[in-house]
Amino acid sequence: QLVLTQSPSASASLGASVKLTCTLSSGHSSYAIAWHQQQPEKGPRYLLKLNSDGSHTKGDGIPDRFSGSSSGAERYLTISSLQSEDEADYYCQTWDTGMGVFGGGTKLTVL
Amino acid sequence: EVQLVESGGGLVQPGGSLRLSCSASGFTFSSYAMYWVRQAPGKGLEYVSVINKNGSDTFYADSVKGRFHISRDNSKNTLYLQMSSLRAEDTAVYYCVKGIEVPGTTFDYWGQGTLVTVSS
Repeated sequence: QLVLTQSPSASASLGASVKLTCTLSSGHSSYAIAWHQQQPEKGPRYLLKLNSDGSHTKGDGIPDRFSGSSSGAERYLTISSLQSEDEADYYCQTWDTGMGVFGGGTKLTVL
Repeated sequence: EVQLVESGGGLVQPGGSLRLSCSASGFTFSSYAMYWVRQAPGKGLEYVSVINKNGSDTFYADSVKGRFHISRDNSKNTLYLQMSSLRAEDTAVYYCVKGIEVPGTTFDYWGQGTLVTVSS
């Protein structure tokens, strides 16, 4: 079964960097994923699509501070030079025949 | 600029029906798969349904299969979600989402959402 696992919460200081993790279930380590950001009281926003080799394609207007990387079944979202507006929920998402699945989301707090 | 504007949400009694619409602009609507994704209050994101670019292929989450129907009118640049036999657990914000160039993968633009509340 295709499942994405995320830590429920993360925190980092203003101006620092943070690396969020999304883990693919067993047997699915070659899958690409996407990362989406949801700021408080807003709809989600697409950040980037991340392949198993670490190559990624960002959405329109997404700052260079956001980047992706991969290692085995793990997919990462790194946010550098953290700003207050980066405080949000971050969801990873992947797909199979027809439909797809979301991870449970990570709530990022900027200290 | 890509815009997705949902409408049609509201309060409905259990067992009732509702039709959501999504008006799309800023891109060639007929060239992309479209999705409905929902978010229950305080919860995460959940796929609801997807339709391919010409409407010939659709998929549904098991939780809505047989009760919801997705469709599109490419001449009107509009996506629909017909919901029937609604249950309390269908209460959520429903987002209209545009697929990327590669069908059946991810999406790159989200609407602002429309709230559906199922309650007596």
